[in-house]
Amino acid sequence: DAGVTQSPTHLIKTRGQHVTLRCSPISGHKSVSWYQQVLGQGPQFIFQYYEKEERGRGNFPDRFSARQFPNYSSELNVNALLLGDSALYLCASSLEDTSRAGELFFGEGSRLTVL
Amino acid sequence: GNSVTQMEGPVTLSEEAFLTINCTYTATGYPSLFWYVQYPGEGLQLLLKATKADDKGSNKGFEATYRKETTSFHLEKGSVQVSDSAVYFCALSATGNQFYFGTGTSLTVIP
Repeated sequence: DAGVTQSPTHLIKTRGQHVTLRCSPISGHKSVSWYQQVLGQGPQFIFQYYEKEERGRGNFPDRFSARQFPNYSSELNVNALLLGDSALYLCASSLEDTSRAGELFFGEGSRLTVL
Repeated sequence: GNSVTQMEGPVTLSEEAFLTINCTYTATGYPSLFWYVQYPGEGLQLLLKATKADDKGSNKGFEATYRKETTSFHLEKGSVQVSDSAVYFCALSATGNQFYFGTGTSLTVIP
């Protein structure tokens, strides 16, 4: 079975632009989470969606938004890009809604560079 | 709040050496604890987990014991191999639906 797939793998944008990142979860997984990983740091939680509903939001500005589609794929949108948004954006899928005992399955990420 | 602190790297060891990567946590409620690993060029993947105090997670020769009294979840392996070279992340999940990750520890094993 295919793992979590993300696109694009790399992209370069300039300040003020908008970006859309896409994620397809593992087949059968209904939960998708997004994390931001700045170089040298651990992943930071941005959003979690389950059955197309937002179930959690991290401490990120309103420039960040996401949605989940009926086929459980997801998009992360970032508006008015800042230099500090440069990071690896990770998508993770899981079977369950709650995360206490569940395992996250990560994609390889989308590397965003903002110039 | 919830947070994870893990030892800073990078760590360089010779093959067959003993490995310990320290991880301590702060959490509300009763968290589950995880170690994730990121091999070069690959995505994060679960290495092991423990869901309650005194549980021991183990996989691929790695072990970690959930110690509530010391709020720790140290990763150990008795004899590392070159193929263990990777970045290791300690993480917790408590209330809600998010994971909290440490900053990662880079391990390089030399032959």
